[in-house]
Parts: sequence; structure tokens; C-alpha cells
Amino acid sequence: NAGVTQTPKFQVLKTGQSMTLQCAQDMNHEYMSWYRQDPGMGLRLIHYSVGAGITDQGEVPNGYNVSRSTTEDFPLRLLSAAPSQTSVYFCASSYGDRGYEQYFGPGTRLTVT
Amino acid sequence: GDSVTQMEGPVTLSEEAFLTINCTYTATGYPSLFWYVQYPGEGLQLLLKATKADDKGSNKGFEATYRKETTSFHLEKGSVQVSDSAVYFCALRNYGQNFVFGPGTRLSVLP
Repeated sequence: NAGVTQTPKFQVLKTGQSMTLQCAQDMNHEYMSWYRQDPGMGLRLIHYSVGAGITDQGEVPNGYNVSRSTTEDFPLRLLSAAPSQTSVYFCASSYGDRGYEQYFGPGTRLTVT
Repeated sequence: GDSVTQMEGPVTLSEEAFLTINCTYTATGYPSLFWYVQYPGEGLQLLLKATKADDKGSNKGFEATYRKETTSFHLEKGSVQVSDSAVYFCALRNYGQNFVFGPGTRLSVLP
């Protein structure tokens, strides 16, 4: 199993540009999520999905969109990048029950200038 | 809502010292508890977990026991190594809920 994969690993955007961060998992997990990690802020949940066709907002959803058309893929779209979105983004997946851990991808480091 | 509190550090120890990182939680119901580790430039990896009271999770010499009476899940290791330098996150997951993470504790181990 490849686990959770994310692309790209690094990205630089100009203010106002849009882009999609890709996330895929091959473990047939129904639950997937996106976090951002900023220095001194820990992990903050952006959006999550409990299955194909079902998404919901997390703690910091503004400026981001998601969709879940398949079990495997959960892309994160930045609509109009802002310097405040400079961060490291992690995708994670797990089975839905409380006893199961999340598996994290390697992260995407995004800089918005 | 549910929450996790952990000592934020940074924690600096000498090699072979004893490590404790405190974690306490507030939750309704009966969550599962987790410790994750993040090495520089990488994503989070599960270190250990416990799903019911008095369970002890263990891995790579690290241990933590689910204490429902004190709502705690403290991480311990008897003898740390330089390679244990990382950020450690305590987390919980409740029924039908998202994961809730603590702020992370940075550990530096000096040779």
C-alpha cells in the first residue's frame, strides 16, 4: 500500500491565484480530512469527509473548497490564494469508528507571495 | 466540545533521561486516545493508542495508560535517544466525531 499520498510537495503561488492540492489513499478508508499546520498553532481542521459525496466544514474552512467523488481522492482547492494561507497542509484518512487511527500524508508546503 | 491539553514545551533532555509528557482531556462519552509523533519535515505518525480505560499503549519504548478517573494519557519513556527528538501530539476521537489534537510538545534530546 502507498498509504496517503499528496502532491505537490512544495508550491509557491501569487496572491489571487487558484490551485488544487491532491490527496489520495489506497486503504479504502471512508473518513478523510485536511489540516493546516502553522508555527505555534498545532493542527487545524479545514474540511473533512465521511464518505464519497459527503463533505463538511471544519474549524477553518474559509477560502477552501473540497469534493469527494470517489473513496480514494479528496482534493483541496484554494479559490483565490492569500498570504494568510501560507502553511503546511496535511491530508489524513481513517476508518470511521472511534477506535481507528488516522494515517497522514507527507504534507504540502505552500507559500503565497 | 471535546479538548486536549498537553504541556507545550519545548522539553530538552539529555540522552538516556526519563521522559514524561503530560496529556489531559475533556470529552463527553468514551473517546479513544492517541499519541502521534512528527519528525522534522514529515507528516504525523501514530506512536501508540488506547481505546478503553486502563489500556496501556506501547511502541518503540514509549508507553501511555488510559486513565479515565483522571482523564489523562501521559506519555513516558525510560531512556530517550537523540533520534526521539520530534514533536509529540496527544489526540482523542469520540463516537461520530472528528479527531481532536493537542497543541504538540517539542522534544529535543541532547547527546
